[in-house]
Amino acid sequence: DAGVIQSPRHEVTEMGQEVTLRCKPISGHNSLFWYRQTMMRGLELLIYFNNNVPIDDSGMPEDRFSAKMPNASFSTLKIQPSEPRDSAVYFCASSWDRAKNIQYFGAGTRLSVL
Amino acid sequence: KQEVTQIPAALSVPEGENLVLNCSFTDSAIYNLQWFRQDPGKGLTSLLLIQSSQREQTSGRLNASLDKSSGRSTLYIAASQPGDSATYLCAVPRGSQGNLIFGKGTKLSVKP
Repeated sequence: DAGVIQSPRHEVTEMGQEVTLRCKPISGHNSLFWYRQTMMRGLELLIYFNNNVPIDDSGMPEDRFSAKMPNASFSTLKIQPSEPRDSAVYFCASSWDRAKNIQYFGAGTRLSVL
Repeated sequence: KQEVTQIPAALSVPEGENLVLNCSFTDSAIYNLQWFRQDPGKGLTSLLLIQSSQREQTSGRLNASLDKSSGRSTLYIAASQPGDSATYLCAVPRGSQGNLIFGKGTKLSVKP
């Protein structure tokens, strides 16, 4: 298996633009997590899905952020409109049994909003 | 509210030295604790997971211990090598859910 695949690896955009980050979890995994990592706040959970259903989105900073998981093999995180403070590395992770917390991370998307 | 703290934020040691990384958590009612490694520009890789009923876990030169009552875990790295240079993060789950609460990590540099 290729592991968790995220795209793009790097994204540079201007303030106000829409940004879409993509994630393909490991085949067979039924939980998917979106995290954001910044120097100031470290790694924080934004939202996680179980069996394609959002379970906890309390970490989503505001209405500008939205996440979808239309099927078991694909998820998106969208920011509209983007702001400079959204600049961070966004990670996607997946797991088979969320109770065991064995999460496999993608390489991340480094987002820069100018 | 669970908080995870890692001290020091950065550590530099000469090759061959044994070292200890520290992790503390405020709520001792955890299901498990996990140590991750993060290389620059890469994602996280799970190193060790200690269940709440366990005291320690070992993998090669790595040994992680857990003391729930004191809210502490340590990651011991024996005979450090330059290839061990990375950021090490610890994490605990939020209740029984799958989402993890991470410390900010310790950036380790092993000098040849």
